[in-house]
Amino acid sequence: EQLVQSGAEVKKPGSSVNISCKTSGDTFSHYVINWVRQAPGQGLEWMGGILPSFNTKKYAQNFQGRVTISADKSTNTVYMELSDLRSADTAIYYCARSTGFQRILFDPWGQGTLVTVSS
Amino acid sequence: DIQMTQSLSSLSASVGDRVTISCQATQDISNYLNWYQLKPGQAPKLLISDASNLEAGVPSRFSGSGSGTDFTFTISSLQPEDFATYFCQQYDSLPPTFGGGTKVESK
Repeated sequence: EQLVQSGAEVKKPGSSVNISCKTSGDTFSHYVINWVRQAPGQGLEWMGGILPSFNTKKYAQNFQGRVTISADKSTNTVYMELSDLRSADTAIYYCARSTGFQRILFDPWGQGTLVTVSS
Repeated sequence: DIQMTQSLSSLSASVGDRVTISCQATQDISNYLNWYQLKPGQAPKLLISDASNLEAGVPSRFSGSGSGTDFTFTISSLQPEDFATYFCQQYDSLPPTFGGGTKVESK
């Protein structure tokens, strides 16, 4: 299974970014797709996830109100939109699959999307 | 949230060395602990799940142990392709949280 993410983005502070993660039909139908980011010199941080088959979403408290995760069944693609960008949002963003929201084990991962926020 | 601490942010080692990385949780997570390898420009890779379960296709020089709050990840004989950053992650409860990572560098 391979998760394929969209390319690097450069954004202005205050704007939004939308990153995509293309999956297989089986993954889209039966798994959760999560978003995890790594800021420069920082650890990994879970942002939230979606179970596309039920459109069930969970978000990390740190990102509530700024992140929106959605899914497009016609293309088996999951999207993550982060709004009101600030320099601290400069990071590599990964999508990663899990079997559910209970006991989240991430496997596999996408290749990552670098988002740079700069004026 | 459960906090995960990797005591070393980096370590220097040579090919053939035995490398040990520790990870500590702020509360009992049983064995719900994973280890990942991260290399620049690549997708992170799950190496070990359930604290000690080696994932399919992962070389046997990698191993993990521990339960409760204290865990250890070991590379028995470091290979050139093992220079990378390693993260632990608890999945006992939401949100899943990661250690800060340990970068294994060439001595």
